[in-house]
Amino acid sequence: DSGVTQTPKHLITATGQRVTLRCSPRSGDLSVYWYQQSLDQGLQFLIQYYNGEERAKGNILERFSAQQFPDLHSELNLSSLELGDSALYFCASSVGSKRGNEQFFGPGTRLTVL
Amino acid sequence: DAKTTQPTSMDCAEGRAANLPCNHSTISGNEYVYWYRQIHSQGPQYIIHGLKNNETNEMASLIITEDRKSSTLILPHATLRDTAVYYCIVRVDRISGTYKYIFGTGTRLKVLA
Repeated sequence: DSGVTQTPKHLITATGQRVTLRCSPRSGDLSVYWYQQSLDQGLQFLIQYYNGEERAKGNILERFSAQQFPDLHSELNLSSLELGDSALYFCASSVGSKRGNEQFFGPGTRLTVL
Repeated sequence: DAKTTQPTSMDCAEGRAANLPCNHSTISGNEYVYWYRQIHSQGPQYIIHGLKNNETNEMASLIITEDRKSSTLILPHATLRDTAVYYCIVRVDRISGTYKYIFGTGTRLKVLA
């Protein structure tokens, strides 16, 4: 158990819908990262927040957005969902944002878009 | 952007050393190399990271070539529980001060009894 929690574990929805994925980091960690893992694209870094502020950005679509709240939990919002958005979404956390900070991953949310 | 290339799969006998290569020929001077592994569809697990020098921890050793264009992760005594997909990752720093993580496609390591 990494100490990172993600809800829900599974989510099934339809194309065009909007969903919110939630992540609670390990106690004391200030950074939260979001990743997408799909069969055709592999693991992709989406975005990172550090203490409430966006710190790094990867291949995140404009239809996706994220935020980190004052209590440090984070949400990833996915809108106008397409079939290709079906994937495992992982959240990770680390103490800081410096190079070398070990990231601890949550168990993931499996999103299925029908 | 930097790109990492890894073999798709490898087998290793239990108790022997597993050597997993990664090519990152476009890496820049201050970009770190990280290794994580993923067992089934669980969240990836950190193994080790490095910049220029070889690194060792309780899980593995990381050997980075002098030109930094490639690296090798070494699991000294592989066990059946080391069967997993191993990812080589580069953190690409941008002039703006932000960065992103580039994942390789991963090597599926199978440890054989």
